[in-house]
Formats: sequence, C-alpha cells, structure tokens
Amino acid sequence: GAVVSQHPSRVICKSGTSVKIECRSLDFQATTMFWYRQFPKQSLMLMATSNEGSKATYEQGVEKDKFLINHASLTLSTLTVTSAHPEDSSFYICSAVRRDSSYEQYFGPGTRLTVT
Amino acid sequence: LAKTTQPISMDSYEGQEVNITCSHNNIATNDYITWYQQFPSQGPRFIIQGYKTKVTNEVASLFIPADRKSSTLSLPRVSLSDTAVYYCLVGIQGRDDKIIFGKGTRLHILP
Repeated sequence: GAVVSQHPSRVICKSGTSVKIECRSLDFQATTMFWYRQFPKQSLMLMATSNEGSKATYEQGVEKDKFLINHASLTLSTLTVTSAHPEDSSFYICSAVRRDSSYEQYFGPGTRLTVT
Repeated sequence: LAKTTQPISMDSYEGQEVNITCSHNNIATNDYITWYQQFPSQGPRFIIQGYKTKVTNEVASLFIPADRKSSTLSLPRVSLSDTAVYYCLVGIQGRDDKIIFGKGTRLHILP
C-alpha cells in the first residue's frame, strides 16, 4: 500500500522558536496534502489544504502566518509552526492524495510537538 | 459535507462481534461512506468504504441500508488490539476533497 511519512515523529522546542514538520509520500505523487491537528482525546481538526505549486488554503480560525505550509513538490509538503507557544503543543497529522486514478487519501504517522 | 453522528464510546469483550452505527441523514447522492481506525499517537488507518448494501474485506464488514442514512461497521471476533477510535466519514472519497472528521467512537475491548 501507499506510504506517507512524517519527520520528525516527535519534537520538543522552546517557546518562541519555530519548528518544521515534513510530510512525504514515499511511493506515489500527491496532488494534494492535508494538515490536521489533534489534541488529546479529541478528533482530528483540519488545518489546511496544501496543493503542489500553489498557496495553501486554510480553514477558518487557523492563522496562516503562524502555520506556514509549503508544497514544493509532488512528494513533499512542510508545515512550519512559527513562534511556537505551549498552546501549539499537539499531534500534527498529514494526509496525501494519490495522483492517479484512485485519488485515495493516505495518512502519515503523525508528529508530536511539545512546546516548553 | 454530510454530518455524521456516532456513539461516543463502546465497550465489548474479546471474541465478540462489535457493531458501530453511524447516522448521516443528509448524505448526498455521490457520497461514499468510509471508516477509519486510529490508535493513540498514530495517524488514521483506512478500514473500509462503501456506497450501498454490504461491503466486506479481511478486517470488517460495512452494512448500508437502502436509504443510506446510516451505516454499521461490523468487526468480527474482536481482540484487545481492536481497542481504538473509529471514525465514520461521508463524502466523495476518491477525489482530492478534504475530509472532515467527526468525534468518532472510542471502542474499548475488555479481556
């Protein structure tokens, strides 16, 4: 099956610093990638839609200047949490849409961000 | 995007069949029904997808009545490792459309 990876799997950073999370589709090209955030005991919340070569589309209430998304190639999207604060501590998950007839979505394993 | 309603949590015992029902009263004609499984600190994993009647794969069955306003995920002979959160989603899966997750059902399997 298709594989989506995320790096790092876990990161701890100090308040005020920026953190970059990578999402890669390892064996397929992805026209679209999605970024989610999940707090403990809660469901996944869609943050933004990332399309290769164009600006990301952010969901209502998500600050685009704080959560920078870059989708530079058909296999890589990055989410940068700028000036992170403790309330940004969460589990960040990406998904990738396969660029072929199936258009199936595959989820990454997630990245645990802890801001101290 | 059709809204879904599922039980918040369920308990069952090892070896039993578990049925989780999802309501989606405003499902559209082109919508598919998809179920995902999520373990703690992991990304969701696709379980099964269907449009109508019954779909079965190696891990689960999905029952969809004729009016498609609900669906039931059936897990045969569950084990402790089936303890997870199960999400029912409705939409045009199969395109690059965004998926909106509902609250899901927290299934706890007891020994």
